[in-house]
Amino acid sequence: SQTIHQWPATLVQPVGSPLSLECTVEGTSNPNLYWYRQAAGRGLQLLFYSVGIGQISSEVPQNLSASRPQDRQFILSSKKLLLSDSGFYLCAWSEGDGAYEQYFGPGTRLTVT
Amino acid sequence: EDQVTQSPEALRLQEGESSSLNCSYTVSGLRGLFWYRQDPGKGPEFLFTLYSAGEEKEKERLKATLTKKESFLHITAPKPEDSATYLCAPRNYGGSQGNLIFGKGTKLSVKP
Repeated sequence: SQTIHQWPATLVQPVGSPLSLECTVEGTSNPNLYWYRQAAGRGLQLLFYSVGIGQISSEVPQNLSASRPQDRQFILSSKKLLLSDSGFYLCAWSEGDGAYEQYFGPGTRLTVT
Repeated sequence: EDQVTQSPEALRLQEGESSSLNCSYTVSGLRGLFWYRQDPGKGPEFLFTLYSAGEEKEKERLKATLTKKESFLHITAPKPEDSATYLCAPRNYGGSQGNLIFGKGTKLSVKP
């Protein structure tokens, strides 16, 4: 069966510091991968998606970036965090072209102070 | 503009009291509507996918239905363990790859 991992589970970082969140998927090959952010009182917002190694599409302009160095690894990064980057970050995977259901990881709670 | 509205925002039920959650959507062309359950501090858990009007899916005490403008999640004889936030997310043909449009959710509380 497929499993998705995210780490760290929680993170407290000062404004201006760098960020690296990691997501890995097991039990499937060539998945579509997604990064979402969930802010309090708001719906899930798609940040990035990837259909293959090195292929990243951005949905929202921001100071975040994503990379996919391996088939089942997805990384979310920032060079300098802003207060507004605080939130719950979720990684998800799906098969096919996105018409298929997406399966989410456990999430990372990021607090920027 | 594609929009999703879920109602009510919060719903309190007594154990065994059946009810329905609503998801109203406006998308340029529906390519699936997805329901998820999210527990506090956790990632959403996939429940159902509906593809066309008139389709229904069931899982234990939950039944999801779909019309051209709305989807309903019916909860029959709920139990306290059904307490969670329920999210709906339609996807359209015109959206970018994998772009689900998530509603803000309905927070369900079931009291024993």
